[in-house]
Amino acid sequence: KNEVEQSPQNLTAQEGEFITINCSYSVGISALHWLQQHPGGGIVSLFMLSSGKKKHGRLIATINIQEKHSSLHITASHPRDSAVYICAVKETSGSRLTFGEGTQLTVNP
Amino acid sequence: EAGVTQSPTHLIKTRGQQATLRCSPISGHTSVYWYQQALGLGLQFLLWYDEGEERNRGNFPPRFSGRQFPNYSSELNVNALELEDSALYLCASSFWLQPQHFGDGTRLSIL
Repeated sequence: KNEVEQSPQNLTAQEGEFITINCSYSVGISALHWLQQHPGGGIVSLFMLSSGKKKHGRLIATINIQEKHSSLHITASHPRDSAVYICAVKETSGSRLTFGEGTQLTVNP
Repeated sequence: EAGVTQSPTHLIKTRGQQATLRCSPISGHTSVYWYQQALGLGLQFLLWYDEGEERNRGNFPPRFSGRQFPNYSSELNVNALELEDSALYLCASSFWLQPQHFGDGTRLSIL
């Protein structure tokens, strides 16, 4: 069992739809990251969370420490949101990040 | 401010050769991390350097090694290249336990 699991693995949506990507983890963490990976590999850090909720534009990230679960929401999705979204956790025992397998999101016009 | 820069962007090698990948961290960052993303797989942690020392290592064979220079830039060396080493190699930098910032990666192809 992976320490960080994401669902779904693949997600196809129509432009304008509300999208949710989930991340569950099994280790104690000090922080959780949501990353966006564009075709070709460039990675953008979207959020770093240790509790509660953060919002940036159409993106919302939430985390429930007790349930060891985080969600990334995209409101009013757009084709330019098409990318791989990766959840990564920083374990309390160290500095390195442990990554989920990623969610491939495709938003069709 | 300049972000994390990696070079080269693409690297083509043959089996048995050695590859050297380079990473320049954001100014002020002392930690450099290396990750491998093989085709169809998630990111895998390779190495963490801080203040010139290797702090942690992922589950990779000794063929994968690296170093961090006094200016905090870093090299990743892969010896005796194998076909399975074909992947995107990402470098990230941070100041100690602060958020990591990622470069655009080096795509290594083994023929």
